[in-house]
Amino acid sequence: GAGVSQTPSNKVTEKGKYVELRCDPISGHTALYWYRQSLGQGPEFLIYFQGTGAADDSGLPNDRFFAVRPEGSVSTLKIQRTERGDSAVYLCASSLGQGPDEQYFGPGTRLTVT
Amino acid sequence: AQSVAQPEDQVNVAEGNPLTVKCTYSVSGNPYLFWYVQYPNRGLQFLLKYITGDNLVKGSYGFEAEFNKSQTSFHLKKPSALVSDSALYFCAVRVTSGTYKYIFGTGTRLKVLA
Repeated sequence: GAGVSQTPSNKVTEKGKYVELRCDPISGHTALYWYRQSLGQGPEFLIYFQGTGAADDSGLPNDRFFAVRPEGSVSTLKIQRTERGDSAVYLCASSLGQGPDEQYFGPGTRLTVT
Repeated sequence: AQSVAQPEDQVNVAEGNPLTVKCTYSVSGNPYLFWYVQYPNRGLQFLLKYITGDNLVKGSYGFEAEFNKSQTSFHLKKPSALVSDSALYFCAVRVTSGTYKYIFGTGTRLKVLA
């Protein structure tokens, strides 16, 4: 079946611009995670959704970052006033429920802020 | 603060030899522990997890890991390495209550030599 998909695969933007990154989880997965991965590092947790609600947003670095999942399926990560330090690969993952289930990761969106 | 350490950036092993990729963790409660693998140009894939019960867990592709509570470790092992095991391996931890945040290590690159 279809896995987790993310669009776009690559995004280049200028400093100060607004960007949206999209994640399509596996159908039926109620849990959705966003991570950020910088070169040479492991994924860094940003936010977790259970259904439509953000159950844990403790990893969002500041108020420029925001994420939504209005219908409990597709999620969008929004970054305002981008900075060069936001450049990274943004990963999305989904899992069946809120328990410690294995996560299925998407291929990521590589964001470059110039 | 909760953390995961993968002390080796790279592990080299000859094909057919046993391999170990090390992981230690520091959490303020009981942990859920995971191993993920990242092949070139592919997303992170789940290998195995420890939730509770038997300290030795078996996973995909012949990998296994042993949870050692006294040493706060969760090393990944395989009795006989294959060249195709060459990839980037990540250890991850989540505490059992109070958060849905997953913490990943920085990754260990495994190189299996023919």
